[in-house]
Amino acid sequence: GENVEQHPSTLSVQEGDSAVIKCTYSDSASNYFPWYKQELGKGPQLIIDIRSNVGEKKDQRIAVTLNKTAKHFSLHITETQPEDSAVYFCAASMGEYGNKLVFGAGTILRVKS
Amino acid sequence: ETGVTQTPRHLVMGMTNKKSLKCEQHLGHNAMYWYKQSAKKPLELMFVYNFKEQTENNSVPSRFSPECPNSSHLFLHLHTLQPEDSALYLCASSHPAPGQGSVRSSYEQYFGPGTRLTVT
Repeated sequence: GENVEQHPSTLSVQEGDSAVIKCTYSDSASNYFPWYKQELGKGPQLIIDIRSNVGEKKDQRIAVTLNKTAKHFSLHITETQPEDSAVYFCAASMGEYGNKLVFGAGTILRVKS
Repeated sequence: ETGVTQTPRHLVMGMTNKKSLKCEQHLGHNAMYWYKQSAKKPLELMFVYNFKEQTENNSVPSRFSPECPNSSHLFLHLHTLQPEDSALYLCASSHPAPGQGSVRSSYEQYFGPGTRLTVT
């Protein structure tokens, strides 16, 4: 089955700097890669996603890149702000219909002001 | 608010108790999911329902029994749990998968806030 590795497990950056979180997946059939942000006491919130037919996607300060050949994808946050502090999870879809998500272990992001 | 609500938000139960978790979505979705989030493991998919039919059971012990009476509601019935079952239980919903009765993408899943379960 699918296996998703996520690094780093914790990341501290200064406000205004960029943050990069990386994930690798094992199943070349996976075709959908979402990123979720989870704040304390809340459920995960989808912040950006990418499908396997696209190499990069950007939404304001957040971007995701996908390298299908190497089977890895990354989340990039620019101009970080204190409210970006949270746990971030990557995931990869598996299964015939793409709705079975396998999650990475998560990255605790701390933005220091 | 994501449009997915879960009750109760916190639950403490003994190993011999029977309790149920409830999830409701107001997004018009027809696929619903149960996930388990524990401190030492990544988010784990437990069950998937498409149009009220269970399409995935990810090798979940029978002491967890899901029920989906309609496309808006999902329950997780709990009985004779173990302390290691203590975790955050998350519900999610989405449009159903392509080929399962919908032309819309199933990809985006929206999560509720979760039920924090403690088994004593």
